[in-house]
Amino acid sequence: QQQVKQSPQSLIVQKGGISIINCAYENTAFDYFPWYQQFPGKGPALLIAIRPDVSEKKEGRFTISFNKSAKQFSLHIMDSQPGDSATYFCAASKAGGYNKLIFGAGTRLAVHP
Amino acid sequence: ETGVTQSPTHLIKTRGQQVTLRCSSQSGHNTVSWYQQALGQGPQFIFQYYREEENGRGNFPPRFSGLQFPNYSSELNVNALELDDSALYLCASSSKGETQYFGPGTRLLVL
Repeated sequence: QQQVKQSPQSLIVQKGGISIINCAYENTAFDYFPWYQQFPGKGPALLIAIRPDVSEKKEGRFTISFNKSAKQFSLHIMDSQPGDSATYFCAASKAGGYNKLIFGAGTRLAVHP
Repeated sequence: ETGVTQSPTHLIKTRGQQVTLRCSSQSGHNTVSWYQQALGQGPQFIFQYYREEENGRGNFPPRFSGLQFPNYSSELNVNALELDDSALYLCASSSKGETQYFGPGTRLLVL
């Protein structure tokens, strides 16, 4: 019940295309869903996050779509650029007590010019 | 505003040794969490410290221990190192909420 399942494992997109990464969770107590971007040799950097009270959140080229009934959320990267090539992790945590993040396994995105 | 810093950046140890990793939290943050990231995997929660007390722990054995100091910096100690402890160790700081900001990590190699 603590798992967050992420797909696909890897993704290749042409420059200017849309990258879509999906995550699913089981624990309905989760109420905070961030996405992190990680470059090789670096720590994860927060991209964007959403709470279940909204179905979509957009920041620049990055959009999170959230489906509470399906317990799924996804990251869309519009106009993908080679500089977006990185590993992306979805995560989830629940309110109350300590807020440990449960991470997905990651998606390695390659944007080709 | 200073971000999360970690030291050292890289470390090589042999099986059975002990290691201490250090983390300085982002200015204004009073909570520090530690994660282990094996190669090709997502980070796994080790434990969290809030105001110098352990505030929660993941599925890691007692040989993983930690400290938080009055200035909110933190240490992760691992005793009796095993080969499987080879990983990137990440520290994240936060304050009054869920947003956790990660440091660059310490790459530990156990031979």
